[in-house]
Amino acid sequence: DAGVTQSPTHLIKTRGQQVTLRCSPKSGHDTVSWYQQALGQGPQFIFQYYEEEERQRGNFPDRFSGHQFPNYSSELNVNALLLGDSALYLCASSLVRGEETQYFGPGTRLLVL
Amino acid sequence: GIQVEQSPPDLILQEGANSTLRCNFSDSVNNLQWFHQNPWGQLINLFYIPSGTKQNGRLSATTVATERYSLLYISSSQTTDSGVYFCAVDPIYNQGGKLIFGQGTELSVKP
Repeated sequence: DAGVTQSPTHLIKTRGQQVTLRCSPKSGHDTVSWYQQALGQGPQFIFQYYEEEERQRGNFPDRFSGHQFPNYSSELNVNALLLGDSALYLCASSLVRGEETQYFGPGTRLLVL
Repeated sequence: GIQVEQSPPDLILQEGANSTLRCNFSDSVNNLQWFHQNPWGQLINLFYIPSGTKQNGRLSATTVATERYSLLYISSSQTTDSGVYFCAVDPIYNQGGKLIFGQGTELSVKP
């Protein structure tokens, strides 16, 4: 039973560029949530996707957008990258719109120079 | 919004010692999870425990929802227990699935 997978594992970008991160949920899960974890901090909720729609959003600007595909996989897009976007980006999957246990992927480390 | 406070922020133990980590939260929750983040950043599920007590090997957890706290017990600690332990809650006023994390407890177990 495959767990949550994310790609790429590491990424280096420069300010102003755009980035796309990818996530495949645990088998059988239908809900994907994205989190940003800055160094030394706890993860912060970005948004959640269920039935290919954004269901909840945290306190992040519109530069952060996402998508969920019919196979439940998801993408996180960040436009106009800032130095402060450097972080570990974590994807979590769950059942029933996140009302059950969330399982996290290994994350993508993004460095913005 | 809900506040999640973990204590202590740092903990250093000798191998074999026991420890208790605490998580206080300021509002009612649907869900509470404990995670261990390893040095590579992977968040490993320890417990889904909105209330009650659970045990898994050397680890156990108790959540007293009416008093808004949860405790994680680690017995006979091993060096592989090192890392950051996070408590995360899903407030009752949310639609579900929006976990709010505490700042974590960084545990270092020395041989």
